Amino acid sequence: DIQMTQSPSSVSASVGDRVTITCRASQGISSWLAWYQQKPGKAPKLLIYAASSLQSGVPSRFSGSGSGTDFTLTISSLQPEDFATYYCQQANSFPTITFGQGTRLEIK
Amino acid sequence: EVQLVESGGGLVQPGGSLRLSCAASGFTFSSYEMNWVRQAPGKGLEWVSYISSSGSTIYYADSVKGRFTISRDNAKNSLYLQMNSLRAEDTAVYYCARGSSGRRRCYFDYWGQGTLVTVSS
Repeated sequence: DIQMTQSPSSVSASVGDRVTITCRASQGISSWLAWYQQKPGKAPKLLIYAASSLQSGVPSRFSGSGSGTDFTLTISSLQPEDFATYYCQQANSFPTITFGQGTRLEIK
Repeated sequence: EVQLVESGGGLVQPGGSLRLSCAASGFTFSSYEMNWVRQAPGKGLEWVSYISSSGSTIYYADSVKGRFTISRDNAKNSLYLQMNSLRAEDTAVYYCARGSSGRRRCYFDYWGQGTLVTVSS
C-alpha cells in the first residue's frame, strides 16, 4: 500500500500569513494527488486535484505543486475561514486510495 | 444542486450488523462512481469501498473486506453499505463521496454530511 505522510501535523499561523503544508508518498504517484479541507463537524471539501489543479469555486489563494513523491499545498494569505484540517489523498492506486494523516491549521 | 444524504447509522453491539444508505440528488447518479469513506472520532480519513457507475466493479479496503458489502440502486439514486460482523474499530462517521468525472473520477468532489456508527456493548 502507498503511505502518505503529511508535515507538519499541526501549524499555528496568523491571518495574512503564507502557509505551506507538505505531503510525501512512500512511492512515486506521478501527479495523482488531491488536497481536501475539513472543518470541525463537516465533510471534507476538495480543494486541489491532479497535484496542482484548482477545484471549481476554490479561492485562488490555494495552490498545489509537486510530482512523484513530494507535494505541497500553499495558502498565500490566510483568511479566517481557512483555519481547518487539511488532508492529502493519493489516487495513483485508484480505486484503493489512501489519505495522509492530516495537518491541523490553527490560529496563532 | 448536488446532494448526498446518508442515513442508517446508530449504536450496534460488536458482532452486529447495520445498513447505511446514501440518497443522491441533483445529478445523474447512474453516471458516477461512488465511494464510502469513514473517519473514526478524532482521527483521519479512511477510504472504505468503491463501486463503479453500473455496480459491476467493486473494491474494499482490507480492513473491511469480507464483512462489508457496497451496492447501489441507480433506479432509486441510492448507494448502500451493508456492514456485518461489526467491531469496535469500525466506530466512525461514514461518508458517501462522489467520484468526479472523467479522468478526475479518482477525486471526491461531493460528500454527504456523514452518519455516525458506534459499535459498543
